[in-house]
Amino acid sequence: SQQGEEDPQALSIQEGENATMNCSYKTSINNLQWYRQNSGRGLVHLILIRSNEREKHSGRLRVTLDTSKKSSSLLITASRAADTASYFCATASVSMNSGGYQKVTFGTGTKLQVIP
Amino acid sequence: NAGVMQNPRHLVRRRGQEARLRCSPMKGHSHVYWYRQLPEEGLKFMVYLQKENIIDESGMPKERFSAEFPKEGPSILRIQQVVRGDSAAYFCASSPPGLAAAGYTFGSGTRLTVV
Repeated sequence: SQQGEEDPQALSIQEGENATMNCSYKTSINNLQWYRQNSGRGLVHLILIRSNEREKHSGRLRVTLDTSKKSSSLLITASRAADTASYFCATASVSMNSGGYQKVTFGTGTKLQVIP
Repeated sequence: NAGVMQNPRHLVRRRGQEARLRCSPMKGHSHVYWYRQLPEEGLKFMVYLQKENIIDESGMPKERFSAEFPKEGPSILRIQQVVRGDSAAYFCASSPPGLAAAGYTFGSGTRLTVV
């Protein structure tokens, strides 16, 4: 079953605006990660935030994590047309199967379109 | 240092045929994960393998699907007697030992079309 649910499912903004995507999850996590997928390509790892962190920055990306609400947000500032892609959150949790390894489960994604 | 290599990029099979998807992890990565993505959906976990071992296959359909990661060579995801519903993009990811939760490196995927 999917762990993360992203919101909104689709987002369309003008170049230069900020884009905010949200992710909610159900179980306790070790960390939460965000990935980008360009159309027809594989996923690219963007940023990871640990369960004991509240905010993290990487270039134009800002991620927040609220473990009490089981939610995270990804903010892309000053968006560019090249940011057009699908964005997925993924949670790492201890798996009940096979020795308790850290299993990474992906959400349903937000499709972002940045209009030039 | 090549990334995760998947081949073929595109695969067309008739119903009832077999599909073999290959994945070579990044150099130094001994953990391989297979995910399936249906059109307009997220990635669904299928199986996690280490060299010569299946660690977690809880996402694999019970029939027709199998995976291996031999001591030498790539990991193989095998789908026997394919049906239309198997049409999807299949992604492989790899990670180094002990850092599985630090972020995966993904291949570009194999897009399987069953006609």
